[in-house]
Amino acid sequence: EDKVVQSPLSLVVHEGDTVTLNCSYEVTNFRSLLWYKQEKKAPTFLFMLTSSGIEKKSGRLSSILDKKELSSILNITATQTGDSAIYLCAVEAVTGNQFYFGTGTSLTVIP
Amino acid sequence: DARVTQTPRHKVTEMGQEVTMRCQPILGHNTVFWYRQTMMQGLELLAYFRNRAPLDDSGMPKDRFSAEMPDATLATLKIQPSEPRDSAVYFCASGLVRDGRAWWDEQFFGPGTRLTVL
Repeated sequence: EDKVVQSPLSLVVHEGDTVTLNCSYEVTNFRSLLWYKQEKKAPTFLFMLTSSGIEKKSGRLSSILDKKELSSILNITATQTGDSAIYLCAVEAVTGNQFYFGTGTSLTVIP
Repeated sequence: DARVTQTPRHKVTEMGQEVTMRCQPILGHNTVFWYRQTMMQGLELLAYFRNRAPLDDSGMPKDRFSAEMPDATLATLKIQPSEPRDSAVYFCASGLVRDGRAWWDEQFFGPGTRLTVL
């Protein structure tokens, strides 16, 4: 059965800390992996990764995919209270055009 | 400012009642996605439609759930009869399917309908 697992489930850090969120997957016919940020409402798109070893970066956030290890990490440097959210990882499968989400990592940044 | 709208934003109902949730996609998008989010299961893709025709509904419980897109500006998700385990936030997203592939990085989520079934 295809699945996406995220760790840790929750994390509390202080402003200025650097955090690393993990996503591992077991998905048949992998096509891409996506990261989303969800605050109080709907998820918003962060990154889409298709190739191993190529880092995607946006400001203080960056992400990289490791297809050999079937995993991805999302890094946030110099965290701010506005980074507090649930971070979701999702994997796209070619077969059946399916899309699977992990249960998310809840990040809380304390001032 | 183009955005996906969903109604109602909140719905409380009793077990056995019919529930209808509505979604208005962004103009020009040809695909509507329905998701359900619970604490236990996280976010799950239920179904999606392209040009008003169902592309995939394998994630949707067929016995009580139905999804339709009567026209390009309206998508509906119905639950009949509703059960307490259906309590969740239901998100609609709109986006594009091109060359037979959904472009997941180009979908925009609506604000969600929070459903509580007592």
